[in-house]
Amino acid sequence: SQQGEEDPQALSIQEGENATMNCSYKTSINNLQWYRQNSGRGLVHLILIRSNEREKHSGRLRVTLDTSKKSSSLLITASRAADTASYFCATLRSNDYKLSFGAGTTVTVRA
Amino acid sequence: GAGVSQTPSNKVTEKGKYVELRCDPISGHTALYWYRQSLGQGPEFLIYFQGTGAADDSGLPNDRFFAVRPEGSVSTLKIQRTERGDSAVYLCASSLRTDYTDTQYFGPGTRLTVL
Repeated sequence: SQQGEEDPQALSIQEGENATMNCSYKTSINNLQWYRQNSGRGLVHLILIRSNEREKHSGRLRVTLDTSKKSSSLLITASRAADTASYFCATLRSNDYKLSFGAGTTVTVRA
Repeated sequence: GAGVSQTPSNKVTEKGKYVELRCDPISGHTALYWYRQSLGQGPEFLIYFQGTGAADDSGLPNDRFFAVRPEGSVSTLKIQRTERGDSAVYLCASSLRTDYTDTQYFGPGTRLTVL
């Protein structure tokens, strides 16, 4: 069974706009990670946020984590066509090592 | 440096056949994971190796699935008597160690199609 759920399932935006997607999960975690996947193949690690962190930035990416609501958000600013991909959140539970993924958000950036 | 590699990239087989999927982790990574991703879903955990031993195989769906990592590096996922429901992308990941915070680096996956 999958731990997380992403919202929305799909998102279509114009190049230059911001894209925001959300992830909710069910159990307490050690950290939460966001991955990108192009064309249904390999996953690229984007960012990791630990349970004691509330916000993290990496380039055009901004991730927030609210452990009281068991939710996270990923913001991509100034989107580009190359950002078109599926984005997955994955949680790592405390004292565990296997990632639990949601079903992903498919983002399409129109030129 | 080289990332995680998986071979073959695509495998088409007939129902009932045996298949082997190979994963070469990043050099020096002691932890290796197999995940399976069905169409429209996120990856689901299958098995985890720490060194040569399978530390957790709780995600393997049934006894037709088996994985080995004899020398603590390359791993092979083996599926016997394949069924159409086994069709999916099989992803391998590795990490340097397992202190629960290590990033897992994923390979490009093997797309398995069972006809």
